[in-house]
Amino acid sequence: DVQITQSPSLLSASVGDRVTLSCKASRYIYNNLAWYQQKLGEAPKLLIYNTVSFQPGIPSRFSGSGSGTDYTLAISSLQPEDVATYFCLTYYSGNTFGPGTKLELK
Amino acid sequence: EVKLVESGGGLVQPGRFLKLSCAASGFSFNDYWMGWVRQAPGKGLEWIGEVNQGNSTRNYNPSLKEKFTISRDNAQNTLYLQMTNLRSEDTAIYYCARARVLGYGSFFDYWGQGVMVTVSS
Repeated sequence: DVQITQSPSLLSASVGDRVTLSCKASRYIYNNLAWYQQKLGEAPKLLIYNTVSFQPGIPSRFSGSGSGTDYTLAISSLQPEDVATYFCLTYYSGNTFGPGTKLELK
Repeated sequence: EVKLVESGGGLVQPGRFLKLSCAASGFSFNDYWMGWVRQAPGKGLEWIGEVNQGNSTRNYNPSLKEKFTISRDNAQNTLYLQMTNLRSEDTAIYYCARARVLGYGSFFDYWGQGVMVTVSS
């Protein structure tokens, strides 16, 4: 199975900051990667799939990139409503979630 | 609007059996793979498994395979999760989700609000 790590585990940033969240796989996953946002007390929400493709309705300040084993979710200008935990998921050779990055306001 | 509503959770004693349901609406249920994910309190997400449109093919998390059985009733637009020999470590929120098949696998695009299962004597 593919193992997934995410960094950092906790990220503090200010409104308007550009933030980047990292997801690293134990082997090549060929862009089979999705990102989810989970706000406190809510179900996860799909943001991005296939590394770069947007789920409808997701704000354009979110973007995904990466290849091989290393993938990134970027938020171009952090908004208060972006406070959440972000999980990546690989669906290459089984499905494995990363442990998550908790994003908070500084 | 895609809607998924889980039910059947609650407090259950260790060693017992429980069956969760997920009622789907707002899309053509029998056109999609469906699956389940769980989340222990304060922890991350754990993929449980999925079932294909025809209820004939299932993929499970290898570390959980013996505990769970996923099935569906397309006539009732309902997905099920059977859990056996429950233990305290199975205490979690259980989410039903719709799967999209893409590339080498599938990911979940819509999720229910989840149902809490607490295993305790």
